[in-house]
Amino acid sequence: AQKITQTQPGMFVQEKEAVTLDCTYDTSDQSYGLFWYKQPSSGEMIFLIYQGSYDEQNATEGRYSLNFQKARKSANLVISASQLGDSAMYFCAMREKGDMGRRALTFGSGTRLQVQP
Amino acid sequence: DTGVSQNPRHKITKRGQNVTFRCDPISEHNRLYWYRQTLGQGPEFLTYFQNEAQLEKSRLLSDRFSAERPKGSFSTLEIQRTEQGDSAMYLCASSLGLGGRSTDTQYFGPGTRLTVL
Repeated sequence: AQKITQTQPGMFVQEKEAVTLDCTYDTSDQSYGLFWYKQPSSGEMIFLIYQGSYDEQNATEGRYSLNFQKARKSANLVISASQLGDSAMYFCAMREKGDMGRRALTFGSGTRLQVQP
Repeated sequence: DTGVSQNPRHKITKRGQNVTFRCDPISEHNRLYWYRQTLGQGPEFLTYFQNEAQLEKSRLLSDRFSAERPKGSFSTLEIQRTEQGDSAMYLCASSLGLGGRSTDTQYFGPGTRLTVL
């Protein structure tokens, strides 16, 4: 089974509008972390936002916020006031503690966001 | 503020040759990770170091792959007898492992793109 599922291969949004990128995850751990990264065409993975499984409030970082619904196992990224520079691939990732104390991130397949002027 | 650096940025080699990549993490980070990313996919975990100790290895890391972090600072990833299927982007990341419920966010370098002819 997929650990991280991103069902939107591509998304379009008009400049200055908000957009939601979907992410669902699968884990049996009680303690885990969810991350979103941005990958522009240059290739570097840029950290955007983090949500811990025990965090009671949704994470926010500037124009980025995370809509965390633990019971539904979803962690959607919301980008407000989209800018042309937001055009990139966006990856959702999870770190599970697991029995071995795993530190590795498991990534989804990504969503390509294109912001239109 | 120096981020994660990787060298070389691009490497073209012939099948059967050996290649070595270098990663320099953020200076105070004690954890270092290697990932591989093929076209259209999210990164896949290869291996993880805490200081100089290699603590996790993915089953993707075949016998032809070896990674070292001899002094707990920079790391090298060597691929012996390269195959065309090894063509990918090799990403390095580092984090400041504080334990507990710290986010332990991984910060990525720009990657080394390997092409095996």
